Amino acid sequence: AQSVAQPEDQVNVAEGNPLTVKCTYSVSGNPYLFWYVQYPNRGLQFLLKYITGDNLVKGSYGFEAEFNKSQTSFHLKKPSALVSDSALYFCAVRDSPLKAAGNKLTFGGGTRVLVKP
Amino acid sequence: DGGITQSPKYLFRKEGQNVTLSCEQNLNHDAMYWYRQDPGQGLRLIYYSQIVNDFQKGDIAEGYSVSREKKESFPLTVTSAQKNPTAFYLCASSISLFEYYEQYFGPGTRLTVT
Repeated sequence: AQSVAQPEDQVNVAEGNPLTVKCTYSVSGNPYLFWYVQYPNRGLQFLLKYITGDNLVKGSYGFEAEFNKSQTSFHLKKPSALVSDSALYFCAVRDSPLKAAGNKLTFGGGTRVLVKP
Repeated sequence: DGGITQSPKYLFRKEGQNVTLSCEQNLNHDAMYWYRQDPGQGLRLIYYSQIVNDFQKGDIAEGYSVSREKKESFPLTVTSAQKNPTAFYLCASSISLFEYYEQYFGPGTRLTVT
């Protein structure tokens, strides 16, 4: 079975400082990994994904994530955080298509990011 | 929130009543999904559909029902059998069910049952 963990419920960072949101995963095959962001009372917005290739993935709004197979991690990063980055961030994983039926994503519990001015 | 609409944004119902949440997409996506989100928890999959007139149970389907009569529409009915229906419900779609495409989410419906 596939699973994903976000070990931090909340991350606090000062505006302008680097932001990191941690994610670790477990799958039986090759992972497909996704990051989404959710603003209050809104749906989720796709940020980026890792399917294959370069371990550093660049996404929307200046975010990037690094896939580390040996550590089974996919941490989300932003070099310089903005107050407007304050939101709830979800990591999600899906097993490779040969192993799993359908595009069933498993989501982590979410990490709340608070960027202070 | 892309081309997915959910209505209404807020919904209030009395216990024992069935209620239907609307989800419409104009992205021409084949696959559609319903998730439930509770405070402090991640999203849990209720139902998903690969194609018209076909749908599968997700991880927490008990007390819910769906239909997929049109490609654009995937309504969710929360029945009186659902023991704890108060939650934030999210509809999503993707190009295909069997590939690695990202899912696009609607703005959500917050259901309160008293």
